[in-house]
Amino acid sequence: QVQLVESGGGLVKPGGSLRLSCAASGFTFSDYYMSWIRQAPGKGLEWVSYISSSGSTIYYADSVKGRFTISRDNAKNSLYLQMNSLRAEDTAVYYCVRHLAVAGDFDYWGQGTLVTVSS
Amino acid sequence: SSELTQDPAVSVALGQTVRITCQGDSLRSYYASWYQQKPGQAPVLVIYGKNNRPSGIPDRFSGSSSGNTASLTITGAQAEDEADYYCNSRDSSGNHPRVFGGGTKLTVL
Repeated sequence: QVQLVESGGGLVKPGGSLRLSCAASGFTFSDYYMSWIRQAPGKGLEWVSYISSSGSTIYYADSVKGRFTISRDNAKNSLYLQMNSLRAEDTAVYYCVRHLAVAGDFDYWGQGTLVTVSS
Repeated sequence: SSELTQDPAVSVALGQTVRITCQGDSLRSYYASWYQQKPGQAPVLVIYGKNNRPSGIPDRFSGSSSGNTASLTITGAQAEDEADYYCNSRDSSGNHPRVFGGGTKLTVL
């Protein structure tokens, strides 16, 4: 069965960095586009970043552009999100999500990892 | 980027039918998908494409679209349907692959 397991969340000070990982299993990871989606406490869902199956196409939300970097290692069935210059407003649960099709709907979600940015 | 607008809260009596709507310019060109999220859990895809349900989603959930409005209909709402519902679609501006609505809190009375 499809599994997406995030790790790497935690408490970090403003201006700090964190790297999130997502371990994928149960499907051919290299065939699928992937995204990171976040949810601030008590708030709605916000799409953060998207990467194509080969890694050649990448998009970012305006709120994270220039600070976050998405990447993937298809040999390791893993997705990453490098987060730099973190701000309080980046505090959220970060979900690793699989796209159903090219830039399409999100069919599988991980359970999420909490990132807290606070001094 | 494009925006998708949802009513913040909707209620329905147990066993009755409820429609949750999502409005946005991108919906004139693209279908919406719908996600159910219960407290403390990750979202779950319930409707995608014209009106497709993933395996395991009850057939009381259905989707439709007209003009700039997409709708999620629950026919015969159950207590376990109480949740937050989010719509999502492609961003017609082309700058971002996807955009979410603000979410609708469904209460089953």
